[in-house]
Amino acid sequence: EAGVAQSPRYKIIEKRQSVAFWCNPISGHATLYWYQQILGQGPKLLIQFQNNGVVDDSQLPKDRFSAERLKGVDSTLKIQPAKLEDSAVYLCASSLDRRSETQYFGPGTRLLVL
Amino acid sequence: GENVEQHPSTLSVQEGDSAVIKCTYSDSASNYFPWYKQELGKRPQLIIDIRSNVGEKKDQRIAVTLNKTAKHFSLHITETQPEDSAVYFCAARTDRDDKIIFGKGTRLHILP
Repeated sequence: EAGVAQSPRYKIIEKRQSVAFWCNPISGHATLYWYQQILGQGPKLLIQFQNNGVVDDSQLPKDRFSAERLKGVDSTLKIQPAKLEDSAVYLCASSLDRRSETQYFGPGTRLLVL
Repeated sequence: GENVEQHPSTLSVQEGDSAVIKCTYSDSASNYFPWYKQELGKRPQLIIDIRSNVGEKKDQRIAVTLNKTAKHFSLHITETQPEDSAVYFCAARTDRDDKIIFGKGTRLHILP
């Protein structure tokens, strides 16, 4: 089966600019996650969707980050405006549903903010 | 909330020797403990997992042990090979909020 797809793979922007990332989960997976992975650290959950609804966004910096999953399939994560400390890999993952323990990760988008 | 500590942060072992990575967790309600392997520039991939009703699980050269009382779990890799070089993450999950909390990772180097 096809895995989780993400684009772009790499992005370089200047601080205060905006950026958007796209994720297409595994077909049929109801739950979608966005993680931020700063260099040398483990992934940190930003937001979790169940279909098109937000389950948990407690770690999302809502003053600059936003995410949506309007039709319950693809999702976009936006940063506006970006800060230097946002430089990281943004990983999307999906699972069959909330109770499913196994999450499948996409290749990630590596963001560099200059 | 849950906190997962992982050590060491870096580990170098001779090819053929064993490697052990240890993690502790804080939430006694955690009941699922996956381990992910992440090669440079690639996605994290699940290599083994264990649930709280099991004390040990083995898959070929990889094994994981869980001590619920002490709230720690470990990854054991035997007969290490060059392709085992990667960053390994432990994680913990509870049914309470379905969130997986990751450790900070261990960079494993297999020396020739």
